[in-house]
Amino acid sequence: RKEVEQDPGPFNVPEGATVAFNCTYSNSASQSFFWYRQDCRKEPKLLMSVYSSGNEDGRFTAQLNRASQYISLLIRDSKLSDSATYLCVVNDFGGYQKVTFGTGTKLQVIP
Amino acid sequence: DGGITQSPKYLFRKEGQNVTLSCEQNLNHDAMYWYRQDPGQGLRLIYYSQIVNDFQKGDIAEGYSVSREKKESFPLTVTSAQKNPTAFYLCASSSASGGYEQYFGPGTRLTVT
Repeated sequence: RKEVEQDPGPFNVPEGATVAFNCTYSNSASQSFFWYRQDCRKEPKLLMSVYSSGNEDGRFTAQLNRASQYISLLIRDSKLSDSATYLCVVNDFGGYQKVTFGTGTKLQVIP
Repeated sequence: DGGITQSPKYLFRKEGQNVTLSCEQNLNHDAMYWYRQDPGQGLRLIYYSQIVNDFQKGDIAEGYSVSREKKESFPLTVTSAQKNPTAFYLCASSSASGGYEQYFGPGTRLTVT
């Protein structure tokens, strides 16, 4: 089993739709979790950290389910500018050492 | 402006030549990282450094070397021993005070022919 697994997509959704991505991780002791956004041929940019209680930033909501070992990202009212690849990132020890990136889920928002 | 800079953006080299990629940060972050990304694939860790004058191998260190003589700088040398050096190279940094989130530079696209 991969350490961090994501559905590669692409997810093609119409503008204004709500879309959700899941990411599963294999290490039950993983400490911290993040979602990054990567545009084509650009660097990944931090979208949001994922907290145990769940957190929201505007149209974006991130949730953590430790029992089932997955994190999710929900995007409401999709915009054309949301088109990108979304990377799930897991930090096993809560420090510098072991950070694992998922291969990403590609989202295409269609007019 | 605080951030991470990488230069050059595009780099072309002939096979058999060593090449050094630059990475500088003015975020006062302790840790710095080098990743490689191939088309359609995830990021793979080459080397990381938690403190000046110390660094550790990542998952794919063979054919690469680094140095960390200053907190702000973490150059990566791609040696002729690296069998498939053509890739997108990303440098990142992080800080304990920031929750260890990694922040990336704009990357260098290396093409070796």
